[in-house]
Amino acid sequence: AQSVTQLGSHVSVSEGALVLLRCNYSSSVPPYLFWYVQYPNQGLQLLLKYTTGATLVKGINGFEAEFKKSETSFHLTKPSAHMSDAAEYFCAVSGPLYSGAGSYQLTFGKGTKLSVIP
Amino acid sequence: DSGVTQTPKHLITATGQRVTLRCSPRSGDLSVYWYQQSLDQGLQFLIQYYNGEERAKGNILERFSAQQFPDLHSELNLSSLELGDSALYFCASSVTGASSTDTQYFGPGTRLTVL
Repeated sequence: AQSVTQLGSHVSVSEGALVLLRCNYSSSVPPYLFWYVQYPNQGLQLLLKYTTGATLVKGINGFEAEFKKSETSFHLTKPSAHMSDAAEYFCAVSGPLYSGAGSYQLTFGKGTKLSVIP
Repeated sequence: DSGVTQTPKHLITATGQRVTLRCSPRSGDLSVYWYQQSLDQGLQFLIQYYNGEERAKGNILERFSAQQFPDLHSELNLSSLELGDSALYFCASSVTGASSTDTQYFGPGTRLTVL
């Protein structure tokens, strides 16, 4: 079984400041990890994903995330926040719904709402 | 634009009623997923279809059902609606759904309000 914990349901940063959104996961299989963003009244948009290979993953809009197996973490960062980054961010882990299942589903964290202060 | 379409965008109905939500996946995607997003439960996986067949079930109530048609569009049917069913319902699609590295692309959602 998989689970995702996002620390901080709400994060506020000043425009131009570093954005750090935390995600820790638990997975019974090698984890494949995703970050999605949801702007107000819209669907979820993929920011980036980690499957295998390089542990530092670059995504859209200047975001990146680093997979750290020893810490079971996949934190999302952006060096300089922009007003347009204000949205809700979801971390997710992909895995079988149950042991032996032949399909894979996403298990999402509760989300972190990012506010950017001008 | 993810390429996944959902209709209607908004739906307002009364308790006890039945509604149908529709989803068209991205061109070439064979797998469709349904999720419910509510303030208290967050994003919950409901059900997955692959090429017309049910592939996996998550936290889906017995009052809810879904199907995927030969043209690969999917419908989620919600019946005997209760106030607590008010939520955003998302559809997502992926190429196969049989690989953990598959990316799911989400539609814009249908906001259901039960009065």
